[in-house]
Amino acid sequence: DAGVTQSPTHLIKTRGQHVTLRCSPISGHKSVSWYQQVLGQGPQFIFQYYEKEERGRGNFPDRFSARQFPNYSSELNVNALLLGDSALYLCASSLKSLPDRDLYGYTFGSGTRLTVV
Amino acid sequence: SQQGEEDPQALSIQEGENATMNCSYKTSINNLQWYRQNSGRGLVHLILIRSNEREKHSGRLRVTLDTSKKSSSLLITASRAADTASYFCATDEVGSGNTGKLIFGQGTTLQVKP
Repeated sequence: DAGVTQSPTHLIKTRGQHVTLRCSPISGHKSVSWYQQVLGQGPQFIFQYYEKEERGRGNFPDRFSARQFPNYSSELNVNALLLGDSALYLCASSLKSLPDRDLYGYTFGSGTRLTVV
Repeated sequence: SQQGEEDPQALSIQEGENATMNCSYKTSINNLQWYRQNSGRGLVHLILIRSNEREKHSGRLRVTLDTSKKSSSLLITASRAADTASYFCATDEVGSGNTGKLIFGQGTTLQVKP
């Protein structure tokens, strides 16, 4: 069974450009969460989607948006890129919105390394 | 903002020794989770401890939780070079509703020397 897959693995963009990152959850998982991890820090929550609806949003500007498709894959879009958006973007999937809260953690993908120059 | 504070920030030990990492948090939680990250890649879930549990074991891992002190510790026994990684605690806050949001600490970087 494939794990959580993210594409692309690496990306270099110029300030002001737009970027789309993609995530495919584990088969059967209906929830996808996005996290941003700046070098040297822990991941920060951006969004969670469950059954194609946004269930949670972190403290990120409106330049960040996401959506979930009928097959439960997800895209994270960032507009008007800033140098500070350079980070590792992680996608995590779980079976439910609250992954059998108190039983299981999330399964993370390997991430997309975004560099803004 | 990040809730968890981890201590130490970096730890270097010899293979075979035990490694202990500590995590403190600020608010009431449903559960606390520990993750490992190798070389800035994806996170691997290690163990989850519920707010009504005090200790949990998984293989060479032992996690404790003290909700009165809002702290947790991760013990890795008989460490191996392959345990070299960054370790993060993450909390599922009470009141986060259905967001599924986890709040991560800044991590402890563990180096295990052969």
